Amino acid sequence: DADVTQTPRNRITKTGKRIMLECSQTKGHDRMYWYRQDPGLGLRLIYYSFDVKDINKGEISDGYSVSRQAQAKFSLSLESAIPNQTALYFCATSDFAGMETQYFGPGTRLLVL
Amino acid sequence: QKEVEQDPGPLSVPEGAIVSLNCTYSNSAFQYFMWYRQYSRKGPELLMYTYSSGNKEDGRFTAQVDKSSKYISLFIRDSQPSDSATYLCAMRPNAGGTSYGKLTFGQGTILTVHP
Repeated sequence: DADVTQTPRNRITKTGKRIMLECSQTKGHDRMYWYRQDPGLGLRLIYYSFDVKDINKGEISDGYSVSRQAQAKFSLSLESAIPNQTALYFCATSDFAGMETQYFGPGTRLLVL
Repeated sequence: QKEVEQDPGPLSVPEGAIVSLNCTYSNSAFQYFMWYRQYSRKGPELLMYTYSSGNKEDGRFTAQVDKSSKYISLFIRDSQPSDSATYLCAMRPNAGGTSYGKLTFGQGTILTVHP
């Protein structure tokens, strides 16, 4: 089984809808991250969490919210989706000692119509 | 201006060629430098990382960091079709400060190695 899983893998939604992307990990890491990837822009950090009680905004947090339900679970929500949130979303984890090594999930491809 | 700049390519080379991938950066606080590889429809995975300046070699891959020029490179020798992927550079500062623990990624370079 994969160490970092994301659901759903693909999602089509309409403008204004609320959607949630979920991430689970079995690596036992404290640190979890949400990124979006757009062509020509690379990976941009949306939110990150260093433990269950610690949530921090990344460089592009507007329009997004997160919930760290447990050490192993980190969810990303789009409260009212808009077309420019169409992107590939990745969850990642790392431990304190090896922050350079982030383990990524397979990604969620989101299309907002 | 982005903190990390990477030529997105695409880069297409014949099998066996030497490939050079590069990133420049503006934040002098960056101390850890990484290269991630991302195959199509997959998440990125760490390929190599180096601390501060110098070279690091791992098989056909060599990572170089020149902090005086704020420039990092990844060289791939004897490139193979299986090396075809997107390569992303990433970096972070040392401990402390608001950037601690966060990676800043380049835009990624799409590489195709054709037989």
